[in-house]
Amino acid sequence: EVQLVQSGAEVKRPGESLKISCKGSGYTFSSYWIGWVRQMPGKGLEWMGIIYPGDSDPRYSPSFQGQVTISVDKSINTAYVQWSSLKASDTAMYYCARSIVPGGKGWFDAWGQGTLVTVSS
Amino acid sequence: SYELSQPLSVSVALGQTARITCGGINIGSKNVHWYQQKPGQAPVLVIYRDSNRPSGIPERFSGSNSGNTATLTISRAQAGDEADYYCQVWDSSTAGVFGGGTKLTVL
Repeated sequence: EVQLVQSGAEVKRPGESLKISCKGSGYTFSSYWIGWVRQMPGKGLEWMGIIYPGDSDPRYSPSFQGQVTISVDKSINTAYVQWSSLKASDTAMYYCARSIVPGGKGWFDAWGQGTLVTVSS
Repeated sequence: SYELSQPLSVSVALGQTARITCGGINIGSKNVHWYQQKPGQAPVLVIYRDSNRPSGIPERFSGSNSGNTATLTISRAQAGDEADYYCQVWDSSTAGVFGGGTKLTVL
């Protein structure tokens, strides 16, 4: 069974750093791209970026370029998204999802359960 | 940047056909994918590459794409189809992009 299991909910202060994770299992991790999607409270889905475990080269949406860093450790089948200095506006649910299409140009056929990030002073 | 527009809400009577649209400039030249998201759950892929159903998705779900509009059609709507639905494409200027989402209500 394909599974993407994300790390648990986080509560942080503005200005703090954070790294959340997404571990894949049940498939060949290095053969699929892993993307990240943001969903702010009560709002829609936003495509953040995507990475290929084979070359660890991330692609970002212009809206998220410079705001987050996406990385991967294929030795442990895990992808990450990190923030160096959180803002209250980063409060959201973050989903990871996998895609078979190169370059992030396709669909997400499996999703993680989501990681809720709350940033509040 | 490339933008997708969806109606905020669509209502359908139980057992009837719901159609959810996704508008974008020349969207017919792109591959459109559709996701269903129920409250408190992660999204689920229901249609990929305009009209293809993943394994496990009922035949009641279908898709089409032409010109400036893609459409998700749900036949014989059931109470369990109530959810938010999102379209998604990839564009060279925007990377991945989602529509704003449509809330489907089954009456």
